[in-house]
Amino acid sequence: GDSVTQMEGPVTLSEEAFLTINCTYTATGYPSLFWYVQYPGEGLQLLLKATKADDKGSNKGFEATYRKETTSFHLEKGSVQVSDSAVYFCALYMDSNYQLIWGAGTKLIIKP
Amino acid sequence: GAGVSQTPSNKVTEKGKYVELRCDPISGHTALYWYRQSLGQGPEFLIYFQGTGAADDSGLPNDRFFAVRPEGSVSTLKIQRTERGDSAVYLCASSPLGLHTDTQYFGPGTRLTVL
Repeated sequence: GDSVTQMEGPVTLSEEAFLTINCTYTATGYPSLFWYVQYPGEGLQLLLKATKADDKGSNKGFEATYRKETTSFHLEKGSVQVSDSAVYFCALYMDSNYQLIWGAGTKLIIKP
Repeated sequence: GAGVSQTPSNKVTEKGKYVELRCDPISGHTALYWYRQSLGQGPEFLIYFQGTGAADDSGLPNDRFFAVRPEGSVSTLKIQRTERGDSAVYLCASSPLGLHTDTQYFGPGTRLTVL
């Protein structure tokens, strides 16, 4: 079945470091891909999305490119801040069913 | 505008009791989803409504779980004969049309604890 695999956390970085959180997926069709973020004590909120191959989603300095050839949607940021500390979830949504399928989440800790 | 709201924010109940969890979606959103999230895991799909009807209830774990959306807006998730394994955060989300390209907007969740 369809699935999402993302790198295990926690990921600990120093402020201003470069961030990559890997996400790969398995899908029988052509999903839309999403990154959601959950800040401490808050609900899930969309960070960025891409709905077709080669699209790049971007928001708040974060980027991810939908790579069909490698079935990946890796999250990147050039210079992280302490305020980026959160749990990041990669997810896919197929046009053949009606549910977001989620990775397990990656906890990111940024130290000043 | 107002986001998705869920009540109560916390619910503690005893094993065997009945509980109802409420979700108020964003006004005008026709699609509504319920998920549950256990600690350290991603959300798990439960049920999807398009308007008043449950278009996909394949994620409901068993017949103790039931959800309704009678007027196509507010939804209630109902759990009968609760078990300790039902303890989790129950999340509600809505989206404009339910398209696979739509963004789903999430509520803050209801934390259910079954003693």
